[in-house]
Amino acid sequence: DTEVTQTPKHLVMGMTNKKSLKCEQHMGHRAMYWYKQKAKKPPELMFVYSYEKLSINESVPSRFSPECPNSSLLNLHLHALQPEDSALYLCASSQKGSGTYEQYFGPGTRLTVT
Amino acid sequence: DQQVKQNSPSLSVQEGRISILNCDYTNSMFDYFLWYKKYPAEGPTFLISISSIKDKNEDGRFTVFLNKSAKHLSLHIVPSQPGDSAVYFCAATTTDSWGKLQFGAGTQVVVTP
Repeated sequence: DTEVTQTPKHLVMGMTNKKSLKCEQHMGHRAMYWYKQKAKKPPELMFVYSYEKLSINESVPSRFSPECPNSSLLNLHLHALQPEDSALYLCASSQKGSGTYEQYFGPGTRLTVT
Repeated sequence: DQQVKQNSPSLSVQEGRISILNCDYTNSMFDYFLWYKKYPAEGPTFLISISSIKDKNEDGRFTVFLNKSAKHLSLHIVPSQPGDSAVYFCAATTTDSWGKLQFGAGTQVVVTP
């Protein structure tokens, strides 16, 4: 089973709203990632969690706040977003220490900020 | 600083023929390479990978070739099928980088009947 699930599939929010994106995997992976993807561009890494600890923050604005409650779940809390934050937000996971580095992606959340 | 480059934004190939996608990289520290396929409004799907200790890896219709001296890799799809029409991303990482993937810009493949 190489499935990563993300909810919601679509989200429309105003610039003053607070919302959260959720990601779940049950593959026993100990690394989880948030990416942002704009149309016709490659995914851009935002955050990396390794063993539930934040390992990489790619200088992401504080209006994006990640959280890893346990080894299967990853959240992205959104607050006071800007219209330019509209994008496809992808979650991914990978094994650690296996000698392979494949990341498995979820279907994404299509976010529109109005 | 684009460390992974896919210089062909698009590729059109006839069904049944070979698709060859190319990728170049500039960082000699990269030691693991991956190809992903992406349909619109979906997440990327992992296709195949290769470690820098190898020069070829094959999985069914997909073969990846790595030329370290030229800092070049390619993905061969044989035979191409209509369902292969998608955007293909090349990605690279260093195995001590906490899993940070550097993606190329992608190549749109269209397989025609």
